[in-house]
Amino acid sequence: QQQVKQSPQSLIVQKGGISIINCAYENTAFDYFPWYQQFPGKGPALLIAIRPDVSEKKEGRFTISFNKSAKQFSLHIMDSQPGDSATYFCAARGYSTLTFGKGTMLLVSP
Amino acid sequence: KAGVTQTPRYLIKTRGQQVTLSCSPISGHRSVSWYQQTPGQGLQFLFEYFSETQRNKGNFPGRFSGRQFSNSRSEMNVSTLELGDSALYLCASSLASGGMGYEQYFGPGTRLTVT
Repeated sequence: QQQVKQSPQSLIVQKGGISIINCAYENTAFDYFPWYQQFPGKGPALLIAIRPDVSEKKEGRFTISFNKSAKQFSLHIMDSQPGDSATYFCAARGYSTLTFGKGTMLLVSP
Repeated sequence: KAGVTQTPRYLIKTRGQQVTLSCSPISGHRSVSWYQQTPGQGLQFLFEYFSETQRNKGNFPGRFSGRQFSNSRSEMNVSTLELGDSALYLCASSLASGGMGYEQYFGPGTRLTVT
């Protein structure tokens, strides 16, 4: 199954708070898990990515946590800022193609 | 380094017409993938080209086709347009088709409206 389920659909977080977005997958052949950030009128921008042999990866305020046994991974945005307000997509690579989650619309209130 | 460029950025077509969209990948990137983005279906994979060969194809009808040139630039064509083809068409480039060079970088997209 080439499906990636993403939740929540939308999220409102106060400035300075932690934003958490979750994704689950079914296909154990997926071997690469990127997160993309998309602003209105723009294409998705690669934010951070992880491979299944690593349980956590941190880049600045963004952290991916990966649970291989549960087939779940999540994005944590620490100290969320109004400029982080965007749509976030998780994805998983299998058979050289990316399968995307449906996206999470994040709003960080000032 | 210049990013992925897509032309045109906006396009309005009539049902039954055909359309060609263009994508220039990041310099040095040899793989180009195309995606359709709609509010209802999200981002869906159309096809991938690497070294002028189609490597993978998503679950779209044969009206959607593409090609890649020797300079890695790619075009996608949609024939006999339907209202449901209205979408943002995104192109993504990467160094390779798999392995360590897989990171995909997206262009700004072409907004196609079919009336």
